[in-house]
Amino acid sequence: AQSVAQPEDQVNVAEGNPLTVKCTYSVSGNPYLFWYVQYPNRGLQFLLKYITGDNLVKGSYGFEAEFNKSQTSFHLKKPSALVSDSALYFCAVRDATTDSWGKLQFGAGTQVVVTP
Amino acid sequence: GAVVSQHPSRVICKSGTSVKIECRSLDFQATTMFWYRQFPKQSLMLMATSNEGSKATYEQGVEKDKFLINHASLTLSTLTVTSAHPEDSSFYICSATVGYSNQPQHFGDGTRLSIL
Repeated sequence: AQSVAQPEDQVNVAEGNPLTVKCTYSVSGNPYLFWYVQYPNRGLQFLLKYITGDNLVKGSYGFEAEFNKSQTSFHLKKPSALVSDSALYFCAVRDATTDSWGKLQFGAGTQVVVTP
Repeated sequence: GAVVSQHPSRVICKSGTSVKIECRSLDFQATTMFWYRQFPKQSLMLMATSNEGSKATYEQGVEKDKFLINHASLTLSTLTVTSAHPEDSSFYICSATVGYSNQPQHFGDGTRLSIL
């Protein structure tokens, strides 16, 4: 079985400061990891993914994430947050070894609030 | 690229009405589509996985006679909420992906269903 934990319901950060959104995962096989962002009353927008290769993954809108196998983590980061980054962020995992349909397990979501 | 269109964006109707929601992949062929339900300030709950030309696979606890899914082509899947009741009111989101599990799911903008 696969699971995702996002330990923070909300992250508050001042504009211009670094932003980190935490994610840890559990899978029995190899993980494929994804980050999505959701704005109010909208669907999810894909930010980045880790499949294999470099542990540091760069994605859309200046976001990046670091895959840490020993800590089973995939934290999302942005060096300098913008007010427009305020949204709901979801981490998701897929078990590459056992899942052939591409089903995702989502975390509970973390609300990011960036203040001017 | 990878645009998913979901229609309608909002539906308000009387109890007992059946409602159809369409999900289209506009610029790619989606071998697999997913239907989710999202409650306020909560994560996405997978309802069913739909593969083109075959019957949908429903998650445990989701009534397949209540939520009819059709995936007749590589670019279109529909979800019909039959005889909707107020407890079916929710935000429904579809996603689509190509047949490789290392590819992200691409999401529609969701449908806000309100049953009076």
